[in-house]
Amino acid sequence: QVQLVQSGAEVKKAGSSVNVSCNASGGTFSSYSIDWVRQAPGQDFEWLGRIIPMLGITNYAQKFQDRVTITADKSTTAYMELSSLRSEDTAVYYCARGDYYYYGLDVWGQGTPVTVSS
Amino acid sequence: QTVVTQEPSLTVSPGGTVTLTCASSTGAVTSGYNPNWFQQKPGQPPRALIYTTSSKHSWTPARFSGSLLGGKAALTLSGVQPEDEADYYCLLYYGGAWVFGGGTKLTVL
Repeated sequence: QVQLVQSGAEVKKAGSSVNVSCNASGGTFSSYSIDWVRQAPGQDFEWLGRIIPMLGITNYAQKFQDRVTITADKSTTAYMELSSLRSEDTAVYYCARGDYYYYGLDVWGQGTPVTVSS
Repeated sequence: QTVVTQEPSLTVSPGGTVTLTCASSTGAVTSGYNPNWFQQKPGQPPRALIYTTSSKHSWTPARFSGSLLGGKAALTLSGVQPEDEADYYCLLYYGGAWVFGGGTKLTVL
C-alpha cells in the first residue's frame, strides 16, 4: 500500500512563498491524482487543487488560482507552492491521493504545518 | 459560494446507532456529488471511510455505511465503539472542485 510522505514544518514571512513536497513511498502515483488540502486552526478544510502527474493535468480551486502552483515528476513526488503568503495561510497542508474522475480521496499524507508570521 | 453543512456535534451511547448528514447549499445531494466521508482524530490526518456515496475502502469497519437520505448524504454508524469518537467530515464534488463540510464532532458517552 502506497504511503504519502510530506516534507517538514515550515515557518515563513508574510509575502514570501512556501513549497511543500509529497512523496509516494512504496509505490508510484500511477494514474492517480494528487490533491492538496489545507486545514487552518478553527477553520474548515479547503481544497486547493490537484495534479494528475501521469498526464500533467492540473486543476485549481478558484480561490487559490492566482497563488498556488502544483507540479510533479511523473511517478513519485508532487509539489505545492503557495505564494504571497499571509497570516491566514497558517494551516496544516495535506496531500491526498485521488483519481481522474473525482470519485474520492483515499490515502493522505501526514500533513505539513505552515506558519506565516509578519 | 457553495456551502456544505453538517451537524456541529452529536452524542451517541456505546453500542448505539447514529446518522450524520451532509447538505449542500445548491440543493439536494445526489450520487453525482460523489459524497466522501472521513474520520479525523486529534493530531492525525483524515482517514477515508466512504467514497461515491456508499462504497467502502478495504480498511473501513463494517459498522460504517454511507447513503443518501432526504436530499443529503448520510453516514451511519451502527454499534458505535468508544474509538469512534472523532470528527467526521464529508466531501462533495462540484464540477471540477471538491468542497468539504464543516465537520461533526461525535462524542461517545
